[in-house]
Amino acid sequence: KAGVTQTPRYLIKTRGQQVTLSCSPISGHRSVSWYQQTPGQGLQFLFEYFSETQRNKGNFPGRFSGRQFSNSRSEMNVSTLELGDSALYLCASSLQDSYNEQFFGPGTRLTVL
Amino acid sequence: ELKVEQNPLFLSMQEGKNYTIYCNYSTTSDRLYWYRQDPGKSLESLFVLLSNGAVKQEGRLMASLDTKARLSTLHITAAVHDLSATYFCAVGANQAGTALIFGKGTTLSVSS
Repeated sequence: KAGVTQTPRYLIKTRGQQVTLSCSPISGHRSVSWYQQTPGQGLQFLFEYFSETQRNKGNFPGRFSGRQFSNSRSEMNVSTLELGDSALYLCASSLQDSYNEQFFGPGTRLTVL
Repeated sequence: ELKVEQNPLFLSMQEGKNYTIYCNYSTTSDRLYWYRQDPGKSLESLFVLLSNGAVKQEGRLMASLDTKARLSTLHITAAVHDLSATYFCAVGANQAGTALIFGKGTTLSVSS
């Protein structure tokens, strides 16, 4: 069974630009969550999508947004990039329930110059 | 607001010795997870603990959950170099959905 895939794996952008990251969950998984990992703040929850609806949202500014498609693939978008947005962005998929195990993708390393 | 604290944050271990990592969380939750992360890699799921008193073991690692004390432990038996990594505990935010609140991680270094 294929795991969670994320594209691109690496990205370099400049301040003020916007970026879109993609996540394909494990086949059959309907929930996709996004996390930001930085050395200073650690792993922080961004948002979760389930059946094309945002089910939960973390404490991030509105520049961070996401969506989920009918095939459960998800994208997250960051507009007006800031230096502090440089991070590893991880997505995780799970079947559907809060109690299901979450499986993480390899991440997208975003560098903002 | 749910907070998750791990300690220690760094652990230098000798091969063959036993160690314990502690994970405390601040508000009620009914699910706790342990993950491993190798440098430059993603998170690998180790254990899912869903009930008070749950204990799970895999190889040299054993995890337990005490929901009344809001405490989980990850016990390492007879450490080996391959266990060198960063270990995270994560607690389910007490709401519908799969949001996890992570601890800051414990970086283990096992030397002979």
